Amino acid sequence: ETGVTQTPRHLVMGMTNKKSLKCEQHLGHNAMYWYKQSAKKPLELMFVYSLEERVENNSVPSRFSPECPNSSHLFLHLHTLQPEDSALYLCASSQGTGTRKETQYFGPGTRLLVL
Amino acid sequence: SQQGEEDPQALSIQEGENATMNCSYKTSINNLQWYRQNSGRGLVHLILIRSNEREKHSGRLRVTLDTSKKSSSLLITASRAADTASYFCATWSTSYGKLTFGQGTILTVHP
Repeated sequence: ETGVTQTPRHLVMGMTNKKSLKCEQHLGHNAMYWYKQSAKKPLELMFVYSLEERVENNSVPSRFSPECPNSSHLFLHLHTLQPEDSALYLCASSQGTGTRKETQYFGPGTRLLVL
Repeated sequence: SQQGEEDPQALSIQEGENATMNCSYKTSINNLQWYRQNSGRGLVHLILIRSNEREKHSGRLRVTLDTSKKSSSLLITASRAADTASYFCATWSTSYGKLTFGQGTILTVHP
């Protein structure tokens, strides 16, 4: 266990559904990240939150909406997704300052299938 | 792009043998990290080597970094079936302020 949990672990949804992915970190970190991992592609950084403020949004479609209510929790709200959005969604955290932010701790991921 | 590229894409060996994976990248970095991912799960940080270091050890892991060639290698000695996983290199640059991952090497260790 890395100290980062994600729920649900598996999710199947239709293109008209609304669902949310949840991430919680128990490491006292103040930066959190969402990544998308698709088959045969490198990890894609989606969003970065530092001290609960979004500091990066890598041109992610608006059908993905992140929320960071506090430094321990991160959500990814999903709405009207496309089949190509099917992937493993990984949450990570790090200490958001100094050299410690360079190492990230990952959750187990949510395997998402969009039908 | 700072993206790293791993080589080979897949590696299959017998238990007890050594496994070597390589990573190349394109721009200047502050450090390079290796992560492991078991099938369908999250990534686990293995080791970090800074740009002013040339070699680092952690247990059965040995990492080298050649900044002049913009390349790194990960050596796993005396491999075990439990080492079966995907291995990713990731580069960190203060300029980019984020980790950039390669596509990974799939290692299979046969008992």
